[in-house]
Parts: sequence; C-alpha cells; structure tokens
Amino acid sequence: LAKTTQPISMDSYEGQEVNITCSHNNIATNDYITWYQQFPSQGPRFIIQGYKTKVTNEVASLFIPADRKSSTLSLPRVSLSDTAVYYCLVAFNQAGTALIFGKGTTLSVSS
Amino acid sequence: DVKVTQSSRYLVKRTGEKVFLECVQDMDHENMFWYRQDPGLGLRLIYFSYDVKMKEKGDIPEGYSVSREKKERFSLILESASTNQTSMYLCASSPLGEGHHTDTQYFGPGTRLTVL
Repeated sequence: LAKTTQPISMDSYEGQEVNITCSHNNIATNDYITWYQQFPSQGPRFIIQGYKTKVTNEVASLFIPADRKSSTLSLPRVSLSDTAVYYCLVAFNQAGTALIFGKGTTLSVSS
Repeated sequence: DVKVTQSSRYLVKRTGEKVFLECVQDMDHENMFWYRQDPGLGLRLIYFSYDVKMKEKGDIPEGYSVSREKKERFSLILESASTNQTSMYLCASSPLGEGHHTDTQYFGPGTRLTVL
C-alpha cells in the first residue's frame, strides 16, 4: 500500500535546527523525494528535492539513506517565519498514478 | 516567475449543482494536477494530465472529471456536487523535466469550495 508517514506536529525555538522525517517504504525506483512548505491561505511551495544521499540549498538540507525508504528534511537555525506545514511528496509507481503527499507536519517556532 | 491562477478563491454551491473549477498556468508546463486538501488528510491527488486531451486518475477520482483542451488550462468538474466534496482544491503545474513524476510542482492559491 502506497503510503508516506510524517509526524503530525513539531515544536521548536528560534535558532534551533529542526529535522522532519518522512517514511516511504515503496518509493518508485526512478523518482525523486520532494519537500514542500505551506503557509495559511497559500498553495504549497517547493523547498528541496533529492534522489539519494544529501542535497543542500540555501534554505534546507535533505538526507536520504541508501535504501531510500525514508528522508529527513533539515532546517538549520529556524526563525518564526519558518512556522508552516511541511509535506513530503513521493511517487510509488513508474506511471506516477500513485503520487502521494504525506499528511504534513505542522512546525511551530517560538521565540 | 511561474504563475498558476485559479478562477475563484471561495465558492459556495448547492448539492447537485455542476461545478467547474478552472486553473491556468503561464509557464508552458506540460503537466497539470488537481488536488484536494482536507484537515488531517493532507493533499490527495484527484487527476493529472501530461498533455492536452490526456488525463490520468489519481488517488481519489470518484465524483470528479477533468478537461484539458489547451495546454495552459486544466479544469476540474464536479458533475453533481455533494457535501462531502466541501474542501480546498489546489491546482499545480510542472515542466516535463526528465519524466520524473515528482518534478517540482508550482501551486495556485487554492479554491475553497463549500457545498451546502
């Protein structure tokens, strides 16, 4: 059964590093893992994408183990403006018909 | 800058009405998607399209149909709206890329549909 699992919520303080993990046991062989951020009353927006090992950009890092059954989004030194819902997106078959978002992790950052 | 627009931010319809949700993208993207978003359930794929006049069912296509007559426009149709279709509907588009189904998607702001 195609499924992604993420924690429902996480709390953090400004300046801390936050790691959000998504499990996806049956990911399609050739597809990427993508993470999105969503603020209230807006559509999700792309944060980072990777296939394996580690990817880093100006806002986040993505860690993917060799078996690709999970991935971890890492947000360094979060600020209040990072309070949002974070989703992982995975394809579970080669046709892309099982394109599954996780249920989202609500990150709350406090001062 | 990629722009995906949806015809309405808020819509109120009555049970049994035929409802059209329109989505337009201005970046010449091949792929377009319709999702619904519900509390505690995240985003679920309804339908997607890889090209004009082509469509594929997603996870929850029942009660919906789609139309893509032009590359830039993807319509979601509720043939006979029901109260359980009250939801936030999100449209997205993505370039063809290298055929990966998880190529970066660009989302519209969403349409909050209420069916009474």
